[in-house]
Amino acid sequence: DQQVKQNSPSLSVQEGRISILNCDYTNSMFDYFLWYKKYPAEGPTFLISISSIKDKNEDGRFTVFLNKSAKHLSLHIVPSQPGDSAVYFCAANYQKLVFGQGTRLTINP
Amino acid sequence: EAQVTQNPRYLITVTGKKLTVTCSQNMNHEYMSWYRQDPGLGLRQIYYSMNVEVTDKGDVPEGYKVSRKEKRNFPLILESPSPNQTSLYFCASTRSPGSYEQYFGPGTRLTVT
Repeated sequence: DQQVKQNSPSLSVQEGRISILNCDYTNSMFDYFLWYKKYPAEGPTFLISISSIKDKNEDGRFTVFLNKSAKHLSLHIVPSQPGDSAVYFCAANYQKLVFGQGTRLTINP
Repeated sequence: EAQVTQNPRYLITVTGKKLTVTCSQNMNHEYMSWYRQDPGLGLRQIYYSMNVEVTDKGDVPEGYKVSRKEKRNFPLILESPSPNQTSLYFCASTRSPGSYEQYFGPGTRLTVT
């Protein structure tokens, strides 16, 4: 039972454009949502988060949007840079963190 | 430098040969976890520990053991590894369960033949 789903295994975006990564969840009890970024041969690193009482959180080029009625979370990266090429995991918390499957983002020059 | 370390980084072993993957953190974190990452399944929690001598099962604990005798160390033990335990393993730590941001180690790629 996958409570957190990232339905796009991969995404390719041109440098300078916007990257939008999506995540859907099923458990309405989740109270906190996070995005992690993972480079090859490294562990995931925390990127940005949002509480369930908010609908948007911004940090530089990264913005996370939360739509509770749709149980949908998205990460926007503007503008996309080659160094953003990585696997992105969304995660949701209720008593413990539950991770999605990950989306591999490739930024093309 | 604040970090989580894991050893070994790569391991190839045979079915049934006991192995231990070590994990150590230098941030004085109380809460530590082990995850495995498999294609199409994301990160799944194996075991976690809320403090010294306090451990509990995660989502996929079968075939694994852990111990927490010291705050900084949280080894993962496979007493009789099987091929379905071939995976990428991550150790993580955080200040407390209520602190959502976890710090991950670099990963251990395990192959069981």
